[in-house]
Amino acid sequence: AQSVAQPEDQVNVAEGNPLTVKCTYSVSGNPYLFWYVQYPNRGLQFLLKYITGDNLVKGSYGFEAEFNKSQTSFHLKKPSALVSDSALYFCAVRSDNQGGKLIFGQGTELSVKP
Amino acid sequence: KAGVTQTPRYLIKTRGQQVTLSCSPISGHRSVSWYQQTPGQGLQFLFEYFSETQRNKGNFPGRFSGRQFSNSRSEMNVSTLELGDSALYLCASSLDLGQNTGELFFGEGSRLTVL
Repeated sequence: AQSVAQPEDQVNVAEGNPLTVKCTYSVSGNPYLFWYVQYPNRGLQFLLKYITGDNLVKGSYGFEAEFNKSQTSFHLKKPSALVSDSALYFCAVRSDNQGGKLIFGQGTELSVKP
Repeated sequence: KAGVTQTPRYLIKTRGQQVTLSCSPISGHRSVSWYQQTPGQGLQFLFEYFSETQRNKGNFPGRFSGRQFSNSRSEMNVSTLELGDSALYLCASSLDLGQNTGELFFGEGSRLTVL
């Protein structure tokens, strides 16, 4: 069965410091991995995805993620956090032929303090 | 290009009633998926429609149903509402070129409160 784990419910970072939001996954077949962000009372916004190729994926708003097949991880990173990055972040996985069905992690609340 | 549009944004119902939520996907997108978001269960997949056919289904009771029209617009219906159905219902569309690589684009959601 497919699953996604985000081990941290909350991550606190000072503005200007690097941030990491962790994600590990379990899937049969090829993993297609995604990161989304959700602001209060809003829908999910797509940040980036890993399909194949380079293990370091760059996305929107300066975010990037590193795919590690041996550790089945897909951690989200940003070199310098902004207060406006404070939001709820979701990691998701899709396996082969699952179309619009994504399996989401429980989410990680990122808080960036000035 | 307009994004995914969901209506209504907020609604309040009482137990036993039914509700219909609507979703208009991004123009050209043929796949529409529905998700339920609650604080306790997180984001859970309800179902996906593609070319008017249900292609995937999550683990929800039969009270939850959906359909897709020829213009790709989709509706979901929940009958005999229960308190536990209170949630944010999110619709997402994707281009779906058959390669599993497309990201989903989400609407703002319909927040349902069941009293």
